[in-house]
Amino acid sequence: EDKVVQSPLSLVVHEGDTVTLNCSYEVTNFRSLLWYKQEKKAPTFLFMLTSSGIEKKSGRLSSILDKKELFSILNITATQTGDSAIYLCAVEGEGAQKLVFGQGTRLTINP
Amino acid sequence: EPEVTQTPSHQVTQMGQEVILRCVPISNHLYFYWYRQILGQKVEFLVSFYNNEISEKSEIFDDQFSVERPDGSNFTLKIRSTKLEDSAMYFCASSGDRGPAFFGQGTRLTVV
Repeated sequence: EDKVVQSPLSLVVHEGDTVTLNCSYEVTNFRSLLWYKQEKKAPTFLFMLTSSGIEKKSGRLSSILDKKELFSILNITATQTGDSAIYLCAVEGEGAQKLVFGQGTRLTINP
Repeated sequence: EPEVTQTPSHQVTQMGQEVILRCVPISNHLYFYWYRQILGQKVEFLVSFYNNEISEKSEIFDDQFSVERPDGSNFTLKIRSTKLEDSAMYFCASSGDRGPAFFGQGTRLTVV
C-alpha cells in the first residue's frame, strides 16, 4: 500500500528563519511527488518532482527529490507570516490516477 | 488564471438525504477527481474520472457514491443517502495529461 510520512507534524519558527520540511514515501512504480500549501481550504500546488537531484525553485521556496532514499524536502528561506500554512506532500504511482497524501506539516511563522 | 470552481461552499443536510456536490474543472483538463478531508485528518482519494468513465476509485467510494459529467463543463459527486461520517470537506481536482492536479476551494458537507 502506498504511504507518505511527513515530518515534523508541527513547526513554529520566527519570521526570517529558514525551514526544512521532510517527506518520505513508499509507492509502487513511482511517477511523481507533489507539494501543496493548504491555508484555509484548498491545497494550492507548489511543485511537482519526477527526477532525483533536480532542484525546483520558486522564489523563497525550493524542493528536491531523492528517489534512491525515497524522500523529498521542501525548503523555505527568509520565512514570512504569510508562509504559515499546512504543507502537504503527495505521491502518484505510474498508471495510478490518484494522489496519496501525507498528514501534512503545520508551519507557524511568528512575527 | 484558470481555476477549479466548486459549489456550494457549504452544505448542511439531514442524515439519509441525497446531496450533489458540483465542480467545474479547468477547461482543457482531461482528468477529474474527488477527494475528501475529514476535519483534522489526511486528504483522501475518492475517485478519478477520465474519458467519461471512472478510472480508479477507493474503498471509501462505495455504492452510495456516484460521479457524473452531465455536460461539457460540470463534474458532480452524488451521495445517495448521507451518513454522519460523510461530514467532511470535499475537494474536486483536475489535471492535464501527466500534469499536477489543481484543487477547488472545497465544499464543506455537514450531515446532521
